[in-house]
Amino acid sequence: GQQVMQIPQYQHVQEGEDFTTYCNSSTTLSNIQWYKQRPGGHPVFLIQLVKSGEVKKQKRLTFQFGEAKKNSSLHITATQTTDVGTYFCEPGNTPLVFGKGTRLSVIA
Amino acid sequence: SAVISQKPSRDICQRGTSLTIQCQVDSQVTMMFWYRQQPGQSLTLIATANQGSEATYESGFVIDKFPISRPNLTFSTLTVSNMSPEDSSIYLCSAGNENGYTFGSGTRLTVV
Repeated sequence: GQQVMQIPQYQHVQEGEDFTTYCNSSTTLSNIQWYKQRPGGHPVFLIQLVKSGEVKKQKRLTFQFGEAKKNSSLHITATQTTDVGTYFCEPGNTPLVFGKGTRLSVIA
Repeated sequence: SAVISQKPSRDICQRGTSLTIQCQVDSQVTMMFWYRQQPGQSLTLIATANQGSEATYESGFVIDKFPISRPNLTFSTLTVSNMSPEDSSIYLCSAGNENGYTFGSGTRLTVV
């Protein structure tokens, strides 16, 4: 199945700082999904991106799908401690195949 | 989106025994999957649970070790057979369709 590279693997930020994680594919994706997994929890679906150049926002979270549909990003503005967790991209396959994730820790 | 009830939430099992994990979905879903996740790691797909036919296993996973049932569109089970300490992990089911997938809360298995 399609594989994606997710960077960075870890990110430590001060509360209030911004955070971005990137998901890159060598092939064109039909769509991409983002999930968040809190420590000790299970992955929770955040968003699906389908269109080239698509941008979607959920409060402080901004999701982008590249024009070539080969990369995607998740940007969090002014991080809060509730943002702590691992963020996974999933390149729209069936079955679901996840990237390694970016683990975000927020220092209060 | 679908809501999944997964049980048990955790168990401690003796090596050589088997454990069956159940996932009940509150609506009919086309696709159901089973994953394994080691602490701090990403999710590894074990198999796709096919309704009415044998599950489709990923490389490294076999039916004898991880038999799966999917008797209808709302229910599936995964059995971890003849367990060894290497099987200690979190097991998750997922269900949904092309518009999004939901995960069960996971089963934390410890084999002693």
